[in-house]
Amino acid sequence: AQTIHQWPVAEIKAVGSPLSLGCTIKGKSSPNLYWYWQATGGTLQQLFYSITVGQVESVVQLNLSASRPKDDQFILSTEKLLLSHSGFYLCAWMRGGSQNTLYFGAGTRLSVL
Amino acid sequence: GDQVKQSPSALSLQEGTNSALRCNFSIATTTVQWFLQNPRGSLMNLFYLVPGTKENGRLKSTFNSKESYSTLHIRDAQLEDSGTYFCAAEADNNNAPRFGAGTKLTVKP
Repeated sequence: AQTIHQWPVAEIKAVGSPLSLGCTIKGKSSPNLYWYWQATGGTLQQLFYSITVGQVESVVQLNLSASRPKDDQFILSTEKLLLSHSGFYLCAWMRGGSQNTLYFGAGTRLSVL
Repeated sequence: GDQVKQSPSALSLQEGTNSALRCNFSIATTTVQWFLQNPRGSLMNLFYLVPGTKENGRLKSTFNSKESYSTLHIRDAQLEDSGTYFCAAEADNNNAPRFGAGTKLTVKP
């Protein structure tokens, strides 16, 4: 069975400080990986996706960057946080083939003060 | 404008009643997914649809690609059905499914 783990569960950070959020998928080789951002009470906004190791496509950057250093790992980061970065960050993977169902991690809740 | 438009934005139901949620698409959509987000933020997959209809217990969903919409019907609503329902559209040229704004459902006893 596939599992998806996000870390940390929650963060409180100061404006201007760096950030690194992580996501790991176990039990699935070469998954498509996604980062979404959700403002409180809002929709899920696509940020980045990756089809393969070392390759990341940006949908909406929001002064963030993403990397895929390993097949099972997806990292979201920034060197300087903004107040507008507050929200809920969700990592997801997609099963390929005929059923491209999106599966989400539990998310990281970020508060920037 | 909104490429995936959900309606209604909020809905309150009495326990035991039925309702329907809708998504309209202004982008060419090949598949649709429906999710339920609980108050803690966890997203649960409900349906993955190519054009057609699927049913699972008290839930039934239809995706009509020709008329660019999808519906989610909830029968005999229960308290645990409360949460925010999202639809997401996948297009051939977009590898990241695009989400609607969600329908916040409250089921009351």
